[in-house]
Amino acid sequence: GIQVEQSPPDLILQEGANSTLRCNFSDSVNNLQWFHQNPWGQLINLFYIPSGTKQNGRLSATTVATERYSLLYISSSQTTDSGVYFCAVVTGANNLFFGTGTRLTVIP
Amino acid sequence: KAGVTQTPRYLIKTRGQQVTLSCSPISGHRSVSWYQQTPGQGLQFLFEYFSETQRNKGNFPGRFSGRQFSNSRSEMNVSTLELGDSALYLCASSSLAGNTGELFFGEGSRLTVL
Repeated sequence: GIQVEQSPPDLILQEGANSTLRCNFSDSVNNLQWFHQNPWGQLINLFYIPSGTKQNGRLSATTVATERYSLLYISSSQTTDSGVYFCAVVTGANNLFFGTGTRLTVIP
Repeated sequence: KAGVTQTPRYLIKTRGQQVTLSCSPISGHRSVSWYQQTPGQGLQFLFEYFSETQRNKGNFPGRFSGRQFSNSRSEMNVSTLELGDSALYLCASSSLAGNTGELFFGEGSRLTVL
């Protein structure tokens, strides 16, 4: 099956810093989403981004489907950004696979 | 607009018992999918239902089953519980079938098997 790798696995930032999270996938995909898992376990939608670039406040995402990767940018990080970030891809057979996750800790 | 609602939020069972979890999707959404999250295996897709039909299924044993009702609410059942079934079970709803649409998740049901 498809491999979905996220990097880095762990990231510690000072409040106010910027960061880039990466999602690499080993095969072509039909769509891709980014999620933030809060401390209570709920997955919060960030972006639905099969291709192109989207921005929402301090967050933006870019997917280059032809090169099989997606990037999530977090600018001016805040402590509330802490948590685990997942990408999820859907293959041509409509099977969904989650990435390995990036655990972000923002220190005041 | 109400979000995805999962019940119960927490439950404790013993080995050999069975458990039923419920998921009510966002109003108007006809697709409900289920996922298991464990520290060792990460997030894994269980199955997806659309208009009361199972459309996709992950690689889980037959002890894991589900169904969807005419009002789009879905239940998943795990029979003969094992210690390894302890996990956070998440459901998501979507307006489109087959994992093709944007997914919206509930808060999850945390199952502990003793």
